[in-house]
Amino acid sequence: AQKVTQAQTEISVVEKEDVTLDCVYETRDTTYYLFWYKQPPSGELVFLIRRNSFDEQNEISGRYSWNFQKSTSSFNFTITASQVVDSAVYFCALRSGGTSYGKLTFGQGTILTVHP
Amino acid sequence: KAGVTQTPRYLIKTRGQQVTLSCSPISGHRSVSWYQQTPGQGLQFLFEYFSETQRNKGNFPGRFSGRQFSNSRSEMNVSTLELGDSALYLCASSLRLGPSQEAFFGQGTRLTVV
Repeated sequence: AQKVTQAQTEISVVEKEDVTLDCVYETRDTTYYLFWYKQPPSGELVFLIRRNSFDEQNEISGRYSWNFQKSTSSFNFTITASQVVDSAVYFCALRSGGTSYGKLTFGQGTILTVHP
Repeated sequence: KAGVTQTPRYLIKTRGQQVTLSCSPISGHRSVSWYQQTPGQGLQFLFEYFSETQRNKGNFPGRFSGRQFSNSRSEMNVSTLELGDSALYLCASSLRLGPSQEAFFGQGTRLTVV
């Protein structure tokens, strides 16, 4: 069975602080894909990043960076110099082959509030 | 390029009724998946369709069903509604089948069962 755990239910920071959202996953598959999505109040899930299980390189995109560590089954997301517009619910998700082919398994989400 | 369009955005139904939700994927996308989001259970996978065939199904009762048309548009139906079916229903489209595919989500249909 696959599982994604986001231990932080809610995080509150002040603008310009750095914040890291944790994600730990479980899967028996050797090939899998990890995703991060952002859900603003409007409801849609906005795709942020995809990482496959064979690529452990960290990635940076503007103020966003992701740290993938297979040894600890973690795929953490850091926002540098947070802004009020970053306030949203963030979801980490896992997808692999096998019987759960197309299914995205989501974590419970982390509510991020950035105060001015 | 238009995104994933879900209609209606809001619905209020009475227990025992049935409801049909619609999803138009991004043009050219052939895979459509449905998810239910509730405060208690989070985001849960309902089913995935590709080429008008259901390819995968989550752990939901048979009251939840779906279909996909030849133009890739999809509908999901919930019969004999229960209070617990109140949720945000999200549709996602992908270019193709496969675990590597990025899924693009619509804004969802918020269903309230009273």
